Amino acid sequence: EVQLVESGGGLVQPGGSLRLSCAASGFTFSSYAMHWVRQAPGKGLEYVSAISSNGGSTYYANSVKGRFTISRDNSKNTLYLQMGSLRAEDMAVYYCARDSGSPAPLYYFDYWGQGTLVTVSS
Amino acid sequence: EIVLTQSPGTLSLSPGERATLSCRASQSVSSRYLAWYQQKPGQAPRLLIYGASSRATGIPDRFSGSGSGTDFTLTISRLEPEDFAVYYCQQYGSSPWTFGQGTKVEIK
Repeated sequence: EVQLVESGGGLVQPGGSLRLSCAASGFTFSSYAMHWVRQAPGKGLEYVSAISSNGGSTYYANSVKGRFTISRDNSKNTLYLQMGSLRAEDMAVYYCARDSGSPAPLYYFDYWGQGTLVTVSS
Repeated sequence: EIVLTQSPGTLSLSPGERATLSCRASQSVSSRYLAWYQQKPGQAPRLLIYGASSRATGIPDRFSGSGSGTDFTLTISRLEPEDFAVYYCQQYGSSPWTFGQGTKVEIK
């Protein structure tokens, strides 16, 4: 059974940093691109970032470019999102999601984690 | 950037009725690279449809997708109690990959 479990969310002050993790199991993690998607409270879904299966290629939405860094450790089956210079508008539930394609990514998502809440407030 | 506009914002229907949800793109979505997701309160989204019309694994056949170019539709043929939720479309034909704002299907 495919499982994605996010952790690392919490309360952070504006301008602060936070690292999210997503532990994957039930599939060959190193064969799939992975993604982060966020959802502000009461709002819709917003695409955040992607990383290729081997970590060699990354993509960021303009809203987070230069502030967030996506990475992965295939030996630990874990995806990360390092978030910096956090703003009020970054407050959201952050979901990790598996790409539906393998080996080539398709950029739609067949499995999602339960999400982790990031609160940005002083 | 392709902007996806979903309509209506809220659909009030009774169990057993047919639901028709629209997703309109600001420019053509290449190769019908359009997906639909269902999200219930407090839960993660669930993939329903990809490639505009292909059902994901385990999705009941009362869910169907259609459309091409800029106009796409998700149809739920007969609403079951568990279908009342928010539905999002997503285009994955060109980056940035974008979602619609969602349609809420609520019990009338």
